Parts: sequence; C-alpha cells; structure tokens
Amino acid sequence: GAGVSQSPSNKVTEKGKDVELRCDPISGHTALYWYRQSLGQGLEFLIYFQGNSAPDKSGLPSDRFSAERTGGSVSTLTIQRTQQEDSAVYLCASSLETLQFFGPGTRLTVL
Amino acid sequence: GESVGLHLPTLSVQEGDNSIINCAYSNSASDYFIWYKQESGKGPQFIIDIRSNMDKRQGQRVTVLLNKTVKHLSLQIAATQPGDSAVYFCADLIPGTGNQFYFGTGTSLTVIP
Repeated sequence: GAGVSQSPSNKVTEKGKDVELRCDPISGHTALYWYRQSLGQGLEFLIYFQGNSAPDKSGLPSDRFSAERTGGSVSTLTIQRTQQEDSAVYLCASSLETLQFFGPGTRLTVL
Repeated sequence: GESVGLHLPTLSVQEGDNSIINCAYSNSASDYFIWYKQESGKGPQFIIDIRSNMDKRQGQRVTVLLNKTVKHLSLQIAATQPGDSAVYFCADLIPGTGNQFYFGTGTSLTVIP
C-alpha cells in the first residue's frame, strides 16, 4: 500500500481482556514505531524496531504490553489484561531514514 | 530527560491571517526538528523539517524558524485557511537515541471563517 495502515480502526473491549493491534508499515521501511496518544496529549513512545536489531522497548509502560514484528514487516502490539487507563489512540509509524510516516491509528476503548 | 513543550495549547485565528505556533525544547544536542499536523481522526502528517545547521526553512505557506540560542522552534502558517485547523506537534531528534523522537503536547489551531 501507499501508506502505513493499522487495524482495527476502533476497538472496544472489556477490562481484563487481551487485545491485539496490527500495523502494516510502508513496504521497504526498515524501522517501525508504536506510540500511544491519550486524549489531548502528545505522543508517548512505546517501542521501536529497526531491521533485525533487538527492539527498543524502553517506552512500554508495563509488562502487560508487548510487541513483535514478523519478517521485518507487519507488527502486532498486544495488551494483556487491559485496564481502563489503556484507553487511547495507538499510532504506528514507519521510516526508511529519519522521517516517520504515521498510520491513522487504532482507537482503543476499555470499558 | 528531554522535554518538548508548546507555549499555547490552543490558538484561534481568523481565516486569512497568519498563524504562529511555538515550541520549546530542552536538549541542546537536538539536531533535527519536525512539525507534524494531525487532523481529527487521523495520524500525524509531516509538514516541514529543519536541521540544527539552519535557522529558517520555508515550504508552501509554512515557515519554520529555529533559534538554538534559546532552544525555540516556531511554525508560521501564512494566510491560514479552514483546512489548516488541526493539532500541530513539534518533535525533536536527539543523536544517539536510535532515531527516537520526542513529541510535544501539541497546539490545537482553530481557523475561524
């Protein structure tokens, strides 16, 4: 595709359930990022994948959050035992060099 | 730690006027800066960037000014249009952090027709 895509666009779940959010980066982009954006807030860095290197997980807020990137392309962000404070928009971005291109985000609502 | 912030969380301007959105950064090692525009329900979109060896860069209707002395960045939008209504983020890159950007909170720009 021409840009970064994310699915689902919206996800409503119940507290305690696990969710998986998907990101399809721009083809050929070696770097992939996950951010969280709470209402009225800036972007909070979560995790960064670069090629075959070990991911930078320094932004993950707790061990309930994990992400993987299969085959250097598609990435999945998993949140286990969701809490209400996990409600936010989760943005994915990819880059070839420095400039990051963002997807439309997944709006997660935890009831 | 890095802190990238904006002086005004909201800004309202009349259509046709010029808009100025400000941003401050705290790390003097930052050497690359980007402005993003985020419309409602969409991801951030690149507007313009500037490297620390420059103090001004112009695009189409937008100009970014960088003042390294006071660690201040601004985005100027000329002849603001209703389609410019969005949240604007500045972000800076610190060398050696593995291409990690730090984003400000954002300024919400509303253009009044």
